[in-house]
Amino acid sequence: DAGVTQSPTHLIKTRGQQVTLRCSPKSGHDTVSWYQQALGQGPQFIFQYYEEEERQRGNFPDRFSGHQFPNYSSELNVNALLLGDSALYLCASSLLTGSYGYTFGSGTRLTVV
Amino acid sequence: DAKTTQPTSMDCAEGRAANLPCNHSTISGNEYVYWYRQIHSQGPQYIIHGLKNNETNEMASLIITEDRKSSTLILPHATLRDTAVYYCIVLIIQGAQKLVFGQGTRLTINP
Repeated sequence: DAGVTQSPTHLIKTRGQQVTLRCSPKSGHDTVSWYQQALGQGPQFIFQYYEEEERQRGNFPDRFSGHQFPNYSSELNVNALLLGDSALYLCASSLLTGSYGYTFGSGTRLTVV
Repeated sequence: DAKTTQPTSMDCAEGRAANLPCNHSTISGNEYVYWYRQIHSQGPQYIIHGLKNNETNEMASLIITEDRKSSTLILPHATLRDTAVYYCIVLIIQGAQKLVFGQGTRLTINP
């Protein structure tokens, strides 16, 4: 049973560019959450998607946007990249209430130069 | 902000039990205690969760105090592969939820 799959694993972008990260949830899960993890810090919640709608959002600017597709997969888009956006981006899938736990992918390491 | 307090780091000898404490003094009656761990450069991994009773699974045991203001995660026979950052999180299982991570405890298992 495949867990959460994220692509790409690593990415280098130039300041000002745009990036799209992708996530396929664990089989049976219908909710996808995205987290940003800066070096040495705990993951920070970006937003959560359920039924193709954004259900919750953390304290991130509008440059961060997302989408969920009918097959529950999701994308995270970041526009106008800043050096400070360099981080590990984690996708977690679950049922909406998280009652059976969240399954995380291995993340995408984004470096902005 | 995270609703839990954990020590920044801990050490444990291989083969011994690792006991990781967590304070959650403002926990409400319907909030669960969850534990995740993150091995270097990987995504967080679910370990265990509980409401008020002690819980045990194949990975660990969770001991929650009677007043629910603190808990302890126990890895009964720590191995080098248990070296990781351990996060204690409180969470209501109702509606759309999100995990709020603190700094966690960096556990180092020494040979």
